[in-house]
This record gives sequence, C-alpha cells and structure tokens, in this order.
Amino acid sequence: DGGITQSPKYLFRKEGQNVTLSCEQNLNHDAMYWYRQDPGQGLRLIYYSQIVNDFQKGDIAEGYSVSREKKESFPLTVTSAQKNPTAFYLCASSMIGTGVTNEQFFGPGTRLTVL
Amino acid sequence: GENVEQHPSTLSVQEGDSAVIKCTYSDSASNYFPWYKQELGKRPQLIIDIRSNVGEKKDQRIAVTLNKTAKHFSLHITETQPEDSAVYFCAAKGQAGTALIFGKGTTLSVSS
Repeated sequence: DGGITQSPKYLFRKEGQNVTLSCEQNLNHDAMYWYRQDPGQGLRLIYYSQIVNDFQKGDIAEGYSVSREKKESFPLTVTSAQKNPTAFYLCASSMIGTGVTNEQFFGPGTRLTVL
Repeated sequence: GENVEQHPSTLSVQEGDSAVIKCTYSDSASNYFPWYKQELGKRPQLIIDIRSNVGEKKDQRIAVTLNKTAKHFSLHITETQPEDSAVYFCAAKGQAGTALIFGKGTTLSVSS
C-alpha cells in the first residue's frame, strides 16, 4: 500500500483552531484530491488539483483551504470556519490524460476529532 | 455537475449467493466508472472499472455492466464469500478536468 501517505493518522483539535492534514505521494501523479467521509455519506470531494499551483473547489470546499506548491504534496487546512469538521479525511492521487489509467489511489486517511 | 445515486444502502446475502449493486449518474458526458471496496478502517481500493465505450467487463467473480442510454451501471458479485463483506462505492468521472464523484456506498454483509 505504498505510494501515498497521510499524516497524522489521528488528530484532535479544539474548537476555533486551524489544523493542517498532510498528504504526500511518490507515484509521480499529476492530480491529487481530498475527500471527506462521514457515515452514510460516501466520499465527498473537498478540493482537487491537476497541476502545481492550481486547484479547484469540490462540492464541500467551504471552511477548507489547500495548496499545491510541489507535485508530491497537497496539504489540507481545516479552518475554524468549518462548522462540523469531525470526520475521516482521505487523500488520493491519479494520473490524468488520455491513454492512461484514471484509477485513483487513496492514502490511509486521517481521522479528525474536534473536542 | 455530476450526481451519482447508489442502491441499496445495505445488502445482506448468504455465502454463495450473488449480489448486485446499482448506480445511476446524471452527466451524459461521464466516461469512466470505477468501483471501490472499503473494508472497515481501511482505505478504498479499486476492484473494477469500466469506460463508456464498453458495455460489460468481468474479472473472476466480479463484473460491471454499463447502460449509457439509461445512465446506469451495476456491480455483480457471484459466489459471494464472507471476505466480500465491506462497503462498496461506485463513482463516475466526466471529461478531462473533472474529478470522480462517488455514490454514498453500499454495505454488503455475507453470512456463512
């Protein structure tokens, strides 16, 4: 299961604090994604990036921010503006373009709990 | 944007029976449809996928069918085993520049 890593595995935060979740990949993938998983809600897209220094909002971007300064890294910041941040966060990456697989590879996830 | 509906939300079968999970999508431009399996506490993993130029694809006990006209696709698991118990997600992807949109998942329980 190598190739894409997330840290930390568990994260606890007090209300009103920002927190940054790490995601790194060594698969040389162009695209990276952040999803939030809640029970019964599936995987909901927060942000994605197809190229360094560029990213797009997903369906639930409010209260989150991202950066893509390096191809290998796509950190997610959960800000105090996110009203219900307790969830399981999954990062993924994939190749893009025609003639290549579009399979998304997922990291092991970070479980964030707001106290 | 794309919307993916998945049914049923839970499915219980006896070992050896078949299981079918169905998904519909809204964007007729979607051209890639993967299925992921997520075991408890683990990351989702791709089990099979299909592109819009293909109607059916099989891999041992798993098959996926696609009906572009009706905009629905289905996962078929034959001869189910207890280790097939997991949450299964379907997804759809539009043209280049878009991300996967997932269904809400189906919890499959296979009892022996």
